[in-house]
Amino acid sequence: EVQLVQSGAEVKKPGESLKISCKGSGYSSANYWIAWVRQMPGKGLEWMGIIYPDDSDTRYSPSFQGQVTISADKSITTAYLQWSSLKASDTAMYYCVRREMSGAFESWGQGTMVTVSS
Amino acid sequence: EIVMTQSPATLSVSPGERATLSCRASQSVSSNLAWYQQKPGQAPRLLIYGASTRATGIPARFSGSGSGTEFILTISSLQSEDFAVYYCQQYNNWPSLTFGQGTRLEIK
Repeated sequence: EVQLVQSGAEVKKPGESLKISCKGSGYSSANYWIAWVRQMPGKGLEWMGIIYPDDSDTRYSPSFQGQVTISADKSITTAYLQWSSLKASDTAMYYCVRREMSGAFESWGQGTMVTVSS
Repeated sequence: EIVMTQSPATLSVSPGERATLSCRASQSVSSNLAWYQQKPGQAPRLLIYGASTRATGIPARFSGSGSGTEFILTISSLQSEDFAVYYCQQYNNWPSLTFGQGTRLEIK
C-alpha cells in the first residue's frame, strides 16, 4: 500500500525557520515526483512545487519561488518543505502528494498544520 | 500560467438528484485534467484523471467529460457522502499544475 506520512503539527513564531517532512513507503519512492500543496484556512488548494527524489530535480510555482525550499533524501524516501523565516501568512495546512504516471495526484499525505503566531 | 475557473462557487442539490460542476481553463489543457473531492478535515481524494477516467475505487456515479478548455464533473444520484468541496486541476502545462478555486456542493 502506498503511503505518505507527514510530520506533525507545528506552532512557530514569525521569523523562525521550519522544515517539515513527508516519508513515502509502499513503492519505489525515488521514481515518483512528490509535490507540496498549500491550503490556507478555509481556502482552496495551491500547488507550491514538485521534486523528483531520485535526482532532486525541483520545480516551483512562481507564487512560491524564493519563499520556500523543497528538498529530498532518497536514501530515506523523504521529501521536505522548509522556510527560513516564517510569516503569519504561512499559517496553513500543507500536503505532500505523489504525482502518478497519469500526471494526476493520487496518494496524499495526511497534512501538516503549520501555525505561525506571535 | 493557466488559470482554472470553477463554477458555480456553491451548488445546492437534493440527495438523489444529479449535480453538474464546471471547470474552465484559460487555455487548452487537452485532456490533462483531474477532479478531486475534499471533505472537512481530510486530504483531497482523486476522483477523475485524464478528464474522464475514474480513479481506483471511485463509484460509477462520478463521471467526467470535456477536453481543451471546458470540463464537467457529473455526480448522478447524489449520496449523503458526496457533499464536499470539489477541485479541478490541470497538469498539461508542466511543471505548472494549477487548481481551480473549488465548488462547494451542499445539501439543498
